Formats: sequence, structure tokens, C-alpha cells
Amino acid sequence: DTGVSQDPRHKITKRGQNVTFRCDPISEHNRLYWYRQTLGQGPEFLTYFQNEAQLEKSRLLSDRFSAERPKGSFSTLEIQRTEQGDSAMYLCASSSRSGTSEGDEQFFGPGTRLTVL
Amino acid sequence: AQTVTQSQPEMSVQEAETVTLSCTYDTSESDYYLFWYKQPPSRQMILVIRQEAYKQQNATENRFSVNFQKAAKSFSLKISDSQLGDAAMYFCAYNPTQGGSEKLVFGKGMKLTVNP
Repeated sequence: DTGVSQDPRHKITKRGQNVTFRCDPISEHNRLYWYRQTLGQGPEFLTYFQNEAQLEKSRLLSDRFSAERPKGSFSTLEIQRTEQGDSAMYLCASSSRSGTSEGDEQFFGPGTRLTVL
Repeated sequence: AQTVTQSQPEMSVQEAETVTLSCTYDTSESDYYLFWYKQPPSRQMILVIRQEAYKQQNATENRFSVNFQKAAKSFSLKISDSQLGDAAMYFCAYNPTQGGSEKLVFGKGMKLTVNP
């Protein structure tokens, strides 16, 4: 396993269409995160999973956004009725909680760049 | 709400020289983690260095070191002997540990150029 992978790397869609992104974390990692990064900004947290449970969601995650991690392995992020403001890089990261340690390193994927026309 | 501020959008340094990247943050918590992440052009973000707030000793990783001033809520990154491969966007990030949150709160980033 060479790292976190994301598919597709680029997605161009028309406003109003639905899009789905996939993230495959590092195989032994039980935690998975989604972030959104717009031009000139740092990544913004969207949501996080521990195994298959979605434990935290940002206010940025409107009802048009939904994320799943059904078997505790890969995750999907779906955006319904896309808007031009959804154009951004969507980053996935994973980490492995070891014992009671905190502040674990998050390993990031290459991202999916979404352009909404 | 926790916020992270990187006030310098861009910096440049000569190869082999030393550069310091600044970061300040705002939190009411006493226990947390701070990170510097590097994002090279068209490549994925990687961790540079991590600091635990309850540790007074500044973290060091080879040519990278931090100056952590908890009272001032300052967390700067020093890169010594700069190399061309250090050119990237650098993001300062905060991870709260209280309340079970696992998210990273990032600053806007700073673009570092290394001149040969």
C-alpha cells in the first residue's frame, strides 16, 4: 500500500448535476477524513469516520453533501445538485489511532479537483 | 472557535540559507497539537513536524525545528540549510484534543520559494 488514493483526480460537471468521489485510505488506518480546499485557502474540515461510524461533521457539510464509509475501508463523498461554489479540491486523509495517543499524523491523498460550470 | 493565522502569504529564501515561517493560533484549550504540513506543487500534503502543547521542548526533525511559545500562541517553523525541494506551500494546523475532535484547523498557507 503506497498511500491514500482518490478517484477521480479531476471532475468537471455542470451545475445541478450529482457527483461522487472515492477515497481509499491506507489499509490499516481506521480513521478517515474529508477536507475541502479552495484556491488560496488552507483545507477546511468536512467530516471524519472512525471505522464505519461518521463521528464528526462540519457545518460546511450542507444537506447536499453526504459521506459514507460502509465497510470501514473506502469512503465516498457525494454532492447533489452541485453549485459553482462547490468548485474546490476535495482532500481525503487517513490515520491510525494507536492506543490512547492523540494528535496522530493524517496522511493525505492527492485530492479530487472539482470544477462546476 | 479555534483559528490559525499565517500572516505572510509568500516568502523566499536562498538555497542553503535559513528561513522562519510564522504562525499564530487562537484557542481557549490548554491541551492540543500543532502541525506544519508541506504541499509541494501538484503533489499531496505531507507532515513536516508536530508539537504537543503540553511539551515545553520544541520539536525538531532534521533541518526543521519549531519555536513554540504557548503563552503567546505562536508556532513558527525554522528551515535550516534550505534546499530546492523545500519549495512548497506550508500550512500550519491545529488539532484540538478536548471534546474528542479529530479535525485539523488549517491556516491559509504560505508559499515558500527557494532560489538557487
